[in-house]
Amino acid sequence: KAGVTQTPRYLIKTRGQQVTLSCSPISGHRSVSWYQQTPGQGLQFLFEYFSETQRNKGNFPGRFSGRQFSNSRSEMNVSTLELGDSALYLCASSLAGTTGYTFGSGTRLTVV
Amino acid sequence: DQQVKQNSPSLSVQEGRISILNCDYTNSMFDYFLWYKKYPAEGPTFLISISSIKDKNEDGRFTVFLNKSAKHLSLHIVPSQPGDSAVYFCAASEGGTGNQFYFGTGTSLTVIP
Repeated sequence: KAGVTQTPRYLIKTRGQQVTLSCSPISGHRSVSWYQQTPGQGLQFLFEYFSETQRNKGNFPGRFSGRQFSNSRSEMNVSTLELGDSALYLCASSLAGTTGYTFGSGTRLTVV
Repeated sequence: DQQVKQNSPSLSVQEGRISILNCDYTNSMFDYFLWYKKYPAEGPTFLISISSIKDKNEDGRFTVFLNKSAKHLSLHIVPSQPGDSAVYFCAASEGGTGNQFYFGTGTSLTVIP
């Protein structure tokens, strides 16, 4: 079966702009989580959605937001981009969010 | 505040020998632990998990050990192969639905042929 699909793979944006990243989970998976990976920081949890509801949120500013659609696809939005937002953004899906996730390949965001 | 720590950023091991990757955590409420492997330009891949009711879980060449009193877990790879060269992340959660996973900063393993 198809894995977790993230689009786009690479993105370059200018400081102050906003960006939307997309994630299509594995078919049947209802939980989608987003992580930010930066060098030396590991994977930092952004938020988790389950059945269109945000169930958990990490310690990121309000510029980071997300949503999940009825087909479990999820989008993440970052407004007023800062240079420090440059990172690999990973989406992961699971059946119910209780066990191991399957990750997508990520979207590499560069803010210039 | 990093609740899951991998204090060794890198590790080099000869092919055929044992690789031991370590992970420490601070939250005593964590009861479910995972290891992921990540190659460049790919997302992390689930490797092995362990719940707090066990102290060891084995899957082929990979074994995870959990020492709850020390809040420490380790991943053993025996024998190590060049294809094991990757970044390894440990992760922990309090279990239950919707609880986030806390990841360590990763250990880059290089297996030398």
